[in-house]
Amino acid sequence: GENVEQHPSTLSVQEGDSAVIKCTYSDSASNYFPWYKQELGKRPQLIIDIRSNVGEKKDQRIAVTLNKTAKHFSLHITETQPEDSAVYFCAANNQGGKLIFGQGTELSVKP
Amino acid sequence: SAVISQKPSRDICQRGTSLTIQCQVDSQVTMMFWYRQQPGQSLTLIATANQGSEATYESGFVIDKFPISRPNLTFSTLTVSNMSPEDSSIYLCSVAGGAHPPDTQYFGPGTRLTVL
Repeated sequence: GENVEQHPSTLSVQEGDSAVIKCTYSDSASNYFPWYKQELGKRPQLIIDIRSNVGEKKDQRIAVTLNKTAKHFSLHITETQPEDSAVYFCAANNQGGKLIFGQGTELSVKP
Repeated sequence: SAVISQKPSRDICQRGTSLTIQCQVDSQVTMMFWYRQQPGQSLTLIATANQGSEATYESGFVIDKFPISRPNLTFSTLTVSNMSPEDSSIYLCSVAGGAHPPDTQYFGPGTRLTVL
């Protein structure tokens, strides 16, 4: 079945630096790729998503890129702030319309 | 996005008992899902709650252990039956569709379950 691999599992950056999280997926039919941010004790929150008809999408300090040929997509956070510290999950949809989640990346932004 | 609530927010239960978790949305949605998230882990889909018919379960999850109801387009319940300590986890509902794209999921706040 569909598999989504996410790297790295942990990421530590200095405030102001950029952070990049990468995911690969196995189902070539996947066409929707959301990213969720989960703070400790809170629900996963959708922060950005991308569909297969575009290669990049940006929203202020966050951006997502998609390479359908290579079946990978990435989350880019620029000018990181301590409040960006959280666990980030990527996901890809499958033919049944469900989401398959990556393993998560714990991002720590040090002041 | 839709306003989603879950009850209870947390509970501590004895093994062998059952707990029913409720998920309520403030607007009609097409899809409702139930997930389990064990400590420090990713989200695992338990089942899709279908309105007016039996839920669709993922591999490793069965109706006898996790019965699900969805009587209408804004409400669903998940029951964790005959609980054991291994069922200790966070249970989350998510919704999609309605006023939002059909594949964009929004999550409820979760129910933290501890089984002793």
